[in-house]
Amino acid sequence: SQQGEEDPQALSIQEGENATMNCSYKTSINNLQWYRQNSGRGLVHLILIRSNEREKHSGRLRVTLDTSKKSSSLLITASRAADTASYFCATTGTASKLTFGTGTRLQVTL
Amino acid sequence: SQTIHQWPATLVQPVGSPLSLECTVEGTSNPNLYWYRQAAGRGLQLLFYSVGIGQISSEVPQNLSASRPQDRQFILSSKKLLLSDSGFYLCAWSGLRGNQPQHFGDGTRLSIL
Repeated sequence: SQQGEEDPQALSIQEGENATMNCSYKTSINNLQWYRQNSGRGLVHLILIRSNEREKHSGRLRVTLDTSKKSSSLLITASRAADTASYFCATTGTASKLTFGTGTRLQVTL
Repeated sequence: SQTIHQWPATLVQPVGSPLSLECTVEGTSNPNLYWYRQAAGRGLQLLFYSVGIGQISSEVPQNLSASRPQDRQFILSSKKLLLSDSGFYLCAWSGLRGNQPQHFGDGTRLSIL
């Protein structure tokens, strides 16, 4: 079963705008990871945030984690057409297995 | 640097035929290896993972099996494919140390006719 649920399922914005995606999960985690998937391709790891961290930055990406609410958000600032992809959150519990959410499809238009 | 190769990229097979998908990793030793299936427009479902040669854990009952004959080789197989086996299959690896990112191959699009 899916551990994470992303919200919204789909998001369409214009280039230059910010995109925010949310992820909720159900059980305790060791860390939460965000991945990106271009259409028909494999997933690419974007960022990992540990359960004792609250915020992390990587370039135009900002991830927050609220373990009390069992939720995370991914913010992409100043979006570009090349950011068009599906974005997935994934959680890791006590084992090294990842449990993926259902994904957010982001469309960035010119 | 580490690379992961997965083939074929696309495959069309008749119902009842066998299946063999191969995944190899280069540039690392003793990786954890994973097979996922992704239904259209959905997240990934973990099918199998392996922490070493000959060590396979199955996550869901299904018509598929996995083998790891060498340290950096992971094979997904079926003796008789079902229509429900159609999907996008992804192989991934991660370091042995826990809670690390996973690195994915480009996937195999499997269509069963």
